[in-house]
Amino acid sequence: QKEVEQNSGPLSVPEGAIASLNCTYSDRVSQSFFWYRQYSGKSPELIMSIYSNGDKEDGRFTAQLNKASQYVSLLIRDSQPSDSATYLCAVFSYGGSQGNLIFGKGTKLSVKP
Amino acid sequence: NAGVTQTPKFQVLKTGQSMTLQCAQDMNHNSMYWYRQDPGMGLRLIYYSASEGTTDKGEVPNGYNVSRLNKREFSLRLESAAPSQTSVYFCASSYSEEGNTIYFGEGSWLTVV
Repeated sequence: QKEVEQNSGPLSVPEGAIASLNCTYSDRVSQSFFWYRQYSGKSPELIMSIYSNGDKEDGRFTAQLNKASQYVSLLIRDSQPSDSATYLCAVFSYGGSQGNLIFGKGTKLSVKP
Repeated sequence: NAGVTQTPKFQVLKTGQSMTLQCAQDMNHNSMYWYRQDPGMGLRLIYYSASEGTTDKGEVPNGYNVSRLNKREFSLRLESAAPSQTSVYFCASSYSEEGNTIYFGEGSWLTVV
């Protein structure tokens, strides 16, 4: 069974700080990685996707991927109270003849004003 | 832009009753999915349809059936609801199952009493 592991948190950071969210995965051949944000009572929404080793930046968000270490992270700069949500790491893995997106259980982030 | 639309949003069922969750997407996506989300368990794949005319089991298919009615629509049926099926259900779609971004509907909150 392919696995995606995240620290469940809660991770609490002050407003304006950098929030660092981490994720490890078990499938060495995974090629596609995603970060979703989910507000309480809402559906997950995509923040970032990353496919190559290194960093990918989009506004205040930076995704980092290290396939050798099977590690993907999300940095949120200048954290805002509106960033308070659960962040889901998702990894595309092949199982048998089909592939599927496997989700971690999420890290709950709380940004304190 | 509707995206992924699922109905109903809320439903209460008695044990043993049947019901169908409806899902439609207007993004011309080939692949569609049904997930359930439970506290502490994260998002788990119930069934998916890689393309029109095909369906496959996911991680937790027991107690459910699906129908890919056409390219747009993918329904989830509970034949004999059980309290263990109390959950939030998300329909989702993607261009293909090959590591593409998955987009979620707003969710259906189901309670089985």
